[in-house]
Amino acid sequence: DAGVTQSPTHLIKTRGQQVTLRCSPKSGHDTVSWYQQALGQGPQFIFQYYEEEERQRGNFPDRFSGHQFPNYSSELNVNALLLGDSALYLCASSRPGAPSNEQYFGPGTRLTVT
Amino acid sequence: GQSLEQPSEVTAVEGAIVQINCTYQTSGFYGLSWYQQHDGGAPTFLSYNALDGLEETGRFSSFLSRSDSYGYLLLQELQMKDSASYFCAVYLSGNTPLVFGKGTRLSVIA
Repeated sequence: DAGVTQSPTHLIKTRGQQVTLRCSPKSGHDTVSWYQQALGQGPQFIFQYYEEEERQRGNFPDRFSGHQFPNYSSELNVNALLLGDSALYLCASSRPGAPSNEQYFGPGTRLTVT
Repeated sequence: GQSLEQPSEVTAVEGAIVQINCTYQTSGFYGLSWYQQHDGGAPTFLSYNALDGLEETGRFSSFLSRSDSYGYLLLQELQMKDSASYFCAVYLSGNTPLVFGKGTRLSVIA
């Protein structure tokens, strides 16, 4: 049973560029959440997708957008990259109504903005 | 706003017991989770407490006191592989995403 997968593993972009990160949830999971983790910090919630709709959003600017596909996979897009966007981007999947409220995280995409 | 406080670093000896505390101030509370993250790795779910008391899973136990807005993670029989960062995280309501603390870096020494 494949867990949460993310691509690419690492990415280097230049300030002002745009980036797309991808996530495939764990089998049987239909909810995908995206988090940003700066070095030495805890993950910060960006947004959550369920049934192809953005269900909840954290305190991130509109430069951060996303999408969920019918197969539950998801993309995170960041426009007009800033140096401060350099971080580990984590995708987590879960099942609504799961008894333990646990989320399964992918290995992350390490984004470096130069 | 939401705030979770946990020690930034803890060092313990192999074979010993260590407790990592977490206090929280959040607008709403549904449950407290703990995650382990090795350097360069993904956070891995360890435990979840929705009710007061102790939950035990092998060498790991987690405790919650809702009245004190406090919880802890207890690691017993420490092994070198337990060296990692440990995050407490709060669910504000049933299906909301997690609000994470800044993490505690645990170093296990021989």
